[in-house]
Amino acid sequence: RKEVEQDPGPFNVPEGATVAFNCTYSNSASQSFFWYRQDCRKEPKLLMSVYSSGNEDGRFTAQLNRASQYISLLIRDSKLSDSATYLCVVNKAAGNKLTFGGGTRVLVKP
Amino acid sequence: GAGVSQSPRYKVAKRGQDVALRCDPISGHVSLFWYQQALGQGPEFLTYFQNEAQLDKSGLPSDRFFAERPEGSVSTLKIQRTQQEDSAVYLCASRETGSNQPQHFGDGTRLSIL
Repeated sequence: RKEVEQDPGPFNVPEGATVAFNCTYSNSASQSFFWYRQDCRKEPKLLMSVYSSGNEDGRFTAQLNRASQYISLLIRDSKLSDSATYLCVVNKAAGNKLTFGGGTRVLVKP
Repeated sequence: GAGVSQSPRYKVAKRGQDVALRCDPISGHVSLFWYQQALGQGPEFLTYFQNEAQLDKSGLPSDRFFAERPEGSVSTLKIQRTQQEDSAVYLCASRETGSNQPQHFGDGTRLSIL
């Protein structure tokens, strides 16, 4: 079983709709959580950190559920430019290396 | 400000050749990381430096892979006697002090072994 698992998708989303997807992690000692966005043939870029209380950044909302060991990302009012692969990323306690999920592909269509 | 810079962007080599990939981190970033990303997969950790010290090399797939950061700034990832399975995108990331800080990635080097 992979340490960080994601539904690969693709999630086909009508423009303006809301989409949400989860990521599960297996190591309960994980301490830091992030969502990165990666466009085709580009480098991963930080979308947002994920905090225990949940956090929002514009149209993006991230939630962390430590008891069930998953994090989620919700995108409201989807834009065509939101089409990308969203990478769930976990950092172990006192560790340094990031462990990535395989990514969830989102396609926003007009 | 300037981000993480990697060179070359693309590298094609014949099987058996040695290659060297360069990473120039964000100025002042103490921590530097190398990742390997195969097509359709998330990046996989290779190695980590804090200044010039290589503190974790647990992700290097074989002894053909070697990384260095002699002056605590620029880093080089070297792959000796390349094989076809080494074909991937090699990503470098740097980070400010603090393991909870996010890592910032370079554009990557796309390596193709023929």
